This record gives sequence, C-alpha cells and structure tokens, in this order.
Amino acid sequence: DAGVIQSPRHEVTEMGQEVTLRCKPISGHDYLFWYRQTMMRGLELLIYFNNNVPIDDSGMPEDRFSAKMPNASFSTLKIQPSEPRDSAVYFCASSSLEGDYGYTFGSGTRLTVV
Amino acid sequence: AQKITQTQPGMFVQEKEAVTLDCTYDTSDPSYGLFWYKQPSSGEMIFLIYQGSYDQQNATEGRYSLNFQKARKSANLVISASQLGDSAMYFCAMREVGTSYDKVIFGPGTSLSVIP
Repeated sequence: DAGVIQSPRHEVTEMGQEVTLRCKPISGHDYLFWYRQTMMRGLELLIYFNNNVPIDDSGMPEDRFSAKMPNASFSTLKIQPSEPRDSAVYFCASSSLEGDYGYTFGSGTRLTVV
Repeated sequence: AQKITQTQPGMFVQEKEAVTLDCTYDTSDPSYGLFWYKQPSSGEMIFLIYQGSYDQQNATEGRYSLNFQKARKSANLVISASQLGDSAMYFCAMREVGTSYDKVIFGPGTSLSVIP
C-alpha cells in the first residue's frame, strides 16, 4: 500500500496564478479530506468527500478555492487566483469506517505564494 | 459545535521519563472517537492511537496510552519511557460518528521536546 499520495510536495507561485494540488487516496477508502495547516490557525478542515461526493465544504475559505473528486482514486484542490495569505501546508487524508477510524495523511504540499 | 483544547503549547521531558499531554474536548454527540497524531519536524502526520467513546478500557499502543476520562471529557496522551525521537508536535483530535457527517477536528497541538 503506497499510502496517500500528494503532489507536488512543494509549490512556489506568483500571486494571481492558479494552483492545483493533487491527491490519490488509499484504495478502498471512501472518505477523502483536505486540510490546511498554518502557524496561526493550526489544522483546518477545508472540505471532505464521501464516495466522491462533497459532503461538507464549510471550511473552504472563499470562492477562490474549489475541490473536485472525479473518481475514487483522485482529487484536486484548486486556488484561483492565489494570494500570499494562501501560503500553507495542504494535507490530503483518507479513511474508511472500518477499523480504528484513523485517518491516513499524505505528506502534504507546501504552498508558497509570492 | 465541537471543540478540542490542548492547554500546553510546549512541554519538556527528560529522556526515559514518562510525559502526559493534556486534551479536553467538547461534544454533545454520544458517539465519537478520539485520536492522537504526531507531527515531527519533517511535517508528516502520524496516527498514534484511537479511543472510542464506548470503549470500556483505555487504549494502548506500545509506549502510548490514552487516559480517557469520559465524564471529565478528557483524553490525555501518556508517553512512557520518552525517546529523543518523540520530540514533535502532538495533536489531539475528535471525530463525531454519524450517518450524515464524518470529520475530524484537531486541537492546536502541543510541542514536546525530549531532553537527553
């Protein structure tokens, strides 16, 4: 099992550019989560999916953020246009209702908007 | 609204000693799960231990144990025989188990430093 795979690991972009973060969950996991981590706000849940359907996007900061999950093995988080305050580490995590209910996190994408 | 509190922003412990990291939570849901995650300086989030609200016994995983006091709504993490590699951020988290939603909320974290 390769775990949750996120790409890219690091992204540096200029303000105003579009940024797309990618995530491949663990096969068989039917929940997928996007979190953002900053020093000021800690770990914030942005959005989560169940069986590819967005369930709760109340954490998405504004309309510049959007997320999709076209199939069970792929999700994207897009920021358009990006702003310096979007600089953070973005984590993707997946889980299922089986077992100990723990999440498996990806390695994260460190986004820097200059 | 659910809430996780970790009152210790930073902790120090001597190598080989035990340490307790505090966590209190607030929920009105009778069914929930509590987690602890470790985040070393490399940045990855590592799942440590899980406690269900209906579990009768405190969870244990190797050197990690969870001191679960349901009436006090606390779920403290105990690390026995601390090692230098335990230096990291530790996050307490809670998941409300429901049919229409399923998400984990994290506390602000505690930074643990193990001193040789």
